Amino acid sequence: GEDVEQSLFLSVREGDSSVINCTYTDSSSTYLYWYKQEPGAGLQLLTYIFSNMDMKQDQRLTVLLNKKDKHLSLRIADTQTGDSAIYFCAETFILTGGGNKLTFGTGTQLKVEL
Amino acid sequence: DAGVIQSPRHEVTEMGQEVTLRCKPISGHDYLFWYRQTMMRGLELLIYFNNNVPIDDSGMPEDRFSAKMPNASFSTLKIQPSEPRDSAVYFCASSSRPGLAGPGELFFGEGSRLTVL
Repeated sequence: GEDVEQSLFLSVREGDSSVINCTYTDSSSTYLYWYKQEPGAGLQLLTYIFSNMDMKQDQRLTVLLNKKDKHLSLRIADTQTGDSAIYFCAETFILTGGGNKLTFGTGTQLKVEL
Repeated sequence: DAGVIQSPRHEVTEMGQEVTLRCKPISGHDYLFWYRQTMMRGLELLIYFNNNVPIDDSGMPEDRFSAKMPNASFSTLKIQPSEPRDSAVYFCASSSRPGLAGPGELFFGEGSRLTVL
């Protein structure tokens, strides 16, 4: 994850919005992903954005992409205690055969307080 | 589909012992990845396979680590001999190419937590 950077911790109050930021390095990334990891579990895809988009909204989630600055953000509206987890952003590298190789960031631990 | 299945979920072993971690990818996926997660290094890609063939093992830390994929539904990651610094959570993930079915994201197993004493 050395090429994809995230802040390590974020603490918010329940009901507030959370914004998790990420900077990446591979400008050729076709997709950029956000994954969520709950304690003791694997990573689950939360959302993704295609590189030709600036914004994607999916219910409480809003993804913003600034390709010029290689900056990706995830906004969670009305954050709930169930949103407490580690959030990883990932950039992609196209593999031979067309698949994606993902390079993950360091992860941001989101803590939601009552 | 049951998702990516890994076993064992937890393994505690002594230094010098052989460890074998197992993975069953999602049926139809033609890529399989092995990742290692530690507090210090985060998520590291160890090796990946395409159509059962190892393509890039540059992330494998040492010769003590080896991985195989004898068929499309099974892969192993072996550590022999194991050392305390190998303690980590090892994840297997599978994917298919981006297309109508989705953006080619990785589907992760629940992980195998390895502790080497």
